[in-house]
Amino acid sequence: KAGVTQTPRYLIKTRGQQVTLSCSPISGHRSVSWYQQTPGQGLQFLFEYFSETQRNKGNFPGRFSGRQFSNSRSEMNVSTLELGDSALYLCASRRLAGGFTGELFFGEGSRLTVL
Amino acid sequence: DQQVKQNSPSLSVQEGRISILNCDYTNSMFDYFLWYKKYPAEGPTFLISISSIKDKNEDGRFTVFLNKSAKHLSLHIVPSQPGDSAVYFCAASALSGGSNYKLTFGKGTLLTVNP
Repeated sequence: KAGVTQTPRYLIKTRGQQVTLSCSPISGHRSVSWYQQTPGQGLQFLFEYFSETQRNKGNFPGRFSGRQFSNSRSEMNVSTLELGDSALYLCASRRLAGGFTGELFFGEGSRLTVL
Repeated sequence: DQQVKQNSPSLSVQEGRISILNCDYTNSMFDYFLWYKKYPAEGPTFLISISSIKDKNEDGRFTVFLNKSAKHLSLHIVPSQPGDSAVYFCAASALSGGSNYKLTFGKGTLLTVNP
């Protein structure tokens, strides 16, 4: 069974640009969450999508947004990039039927560097 | 406000000895706790979890202990192996929260197991 797939794995942008990251969840998983990992803050929750709807949102500015498609694939977008947005962006999926047991399954992440 | 705290940024142990990683939480609504392991350039991998109705859960070399009154949990690895060297994240969730589900992570502890 294929895991969570994130693209691109690495990217470099400059301040003021925007970026779009993509995530394909594990087959059958309908919920997708996004987390930001930085050395100083650890992993912080960005948002969760289920059935193409944002169900939960963390404490990030409106420059961070996302969406989910009917096939459960998700994208997140960061506009007007700042240096502090440099981070590893992790996508995670979970199943919602058949007894959810609490764990999220993470992809390998997209490493964003803002210059 | 950091709701999940891992106060030791790093821990070094000898191969074959016990590794004990600690985690404290402040939110009484948390009812499910997880440990994730993360190697560089990879996403976090689920290791072991415990529900708040239990005080211990064991899986091979890994045991998690939960002390609800102290709002403290620990991960024991016995015996420690060099391949266990990684960053370990403690995470907590309110499983009973239903569809609005997220993990709140600590900042991680870097475990180094020396041969």
